[in-house]
Amino acid sequence: EAGVTQFPSHSVIEKGQTVTLRCDPISGHDNLYWYRRVMGKEIKFLLHFVKESKQDESGMPNNRFLAERTGGTYSTLKVQPAELEDSGVYFCASSPLHPRAWVEAFFGQGTRLTVV
Amino acid sequence: AQSVTQLDSQVPVFEEAPVELRCNYSSSVSVYLFWYVQYPNQGLQLLLKYLSGSTLVESINGFEAEFNKSQTSFHLRKPSVHISDTAEYFCAVIGAGGTSYGKLTFGQGTILTVHP
Repeated sequence: EAGVTQFPSHSVIEKGQTVTLRCDPISGHDNLYWYRRVMGKEIKFLLHFVKESKQDESGMPNNRFLAERTGGTYSTLKVQPAELEDSGVYFCASSPLHPRAWVEAFFGQGTRLTVV
Repeated sequence: AQSVTQLDSQVPVFEEAPVELRCNYSSSVSVYLFWYVQYPNQGLQLLLKYLSGSTLVESINGFEAEFNKSQTSFHLRKPSVHISDTAEYFCAVIGAGGTSYGKLTFGQGTILTVHP
C-alpha cells in the first residue's frame, strides 16, 4: 500500500513567485493535515481537511496560503506570493476518519521549500 | 490548548550506551502522546504512542516511553543505542477529546547522534 506522497520533494523559488505543493494521502483516508516546520522551530499545524471540507484552518499563517482538496482525494497548498519567511519543510499527513483510528497520522516525506 | 517541551535539542551518545530523550507537556485536558522519528532524508514515522492502559509503551526497535501524569512527562529511553538510531525525534500530543481530530502539537525536536 502506498504511503502519503508529496510533490515536489524540494522547491527553490524567488521571493514573489508562486509555488504549489501537492499531497496524495493514503487511499481511503478522509483526514488530511498540513504541517510546517520553519528552520530551527517546531513542527506546526496549518490546517485539517475532512474529505473536501476544511475542518480547521486555524494554523494558516496568512491569506497568501491557499489549500484545496477537490474531490476529497489529493490536496494542494499554494503560496502566492512567496516570502522569505515561508521557507521550511511542509509536511502532509493523513488518517482514517473512524473513531480512535484518526489518532495515528501517517506522514509524507515533506517538501522542502526555499524562498530566495 | 497544549504545549510540548523537549528539553534537549541535541543528544550525542556512543554506540551501545543508554539514552533518554526528555519530553514534558502542558494541557488542560487529557492527552494522547506520541514519539515520531525522522531519519536522515526520510519523512516522519510514528515510533510509539500512549493512548490508555499501561503507562509503559514500547516500539519494535527497542525504544520505550513512560507516561507520567503527575509529572506531565513522556520521556523516551533505549538501554543500548545503535548507529542506525541516529535521527531527529519529536514528541507530540493530541487532546483526547473535543474537537482535536488528530491535530498534533509537537515539541522542538531532539537530534540524537550515535557515535561509534
